[in-house]
Amino acid sequence: GQNIDQPTEMTATEGAIVQINCTYQTSGFNGLFWYQQHAGEAPTFLSYNVLDGLEEKGRFSSFLSRSKGYSYLLLKELQMKDSASYLCAVRSPNDYKLSFGAGTTVTVRA
Amino acid sequence: DVKVTQSSRYLVKRTGEKVFLECVQDMDHENMFWYRQDPGLGLRLIYFSYDVKMKEKGDIPEGYSVSREKKERFSLILESASTNQTSMYLCASSSPSNQPQHFGDGTRLSIL
Repeated sequence: GQNIDQPTEMTATEGAIVQINCTYQTSGFNGLFWYQQHAGEAPTFLSYNVLDGLEEKGRFSSFLSRSKGYSYLLLKELQMKDSASYLCAVRSPNDYKLSFGAGTTVTVRA
Repeated sequence: DVKVTQSSRYLVKRTGEKVFLECVQDMDHENMFWYRQDPGLGLRLIYFSYDVKMKEKGDIPEGYSVSREKKERFSLILESASTNQTSMYLCASSSPSNQPQHFGDGTRLSIL
């Protein structure tokens, strides 16, 4: 089975940094994705990790530790437009299926 | 840019009706997926397809069926809609590689 946990909500101030953690216990692993979803919109792809370490993409970074079943998404220099839900998803080996966590709603305050 | 188009943004149907949700992608992707999204539960996979006329059950297939007659189109069918199928339905597509899934804007379905 798949068990993917992430916090339900986080609040941070504009310009600050927020770290969204994701822990997973899955029957197989073939990469971890982070998506951003604004209210009423489609999820959009942010980052992908398949090997241990940090992937940096502008203000967003994602980290993976496969031995710990752990990932985080780091959002730097927060902007109001970063208020959204952030979804962690683990891909199964062999079949490209994604299992999603329930999502973390990030609220950025002025 | 990848474009995944779902036929309706909002849909209201009655209990017992047969409901069709349509999804079209323009990137020649082999893989297509149907999810439902509910508060506190995240996205849950209903069905997916690797190729034309192929389908695989996801985690919650009960009460649903799918059809993939053409590569670009993947339809979700609620054979006899029930109120517990009121939800946001999201379609996605991907190529058979490490590329991410691309999502449509979703259909918010209400069953009365």
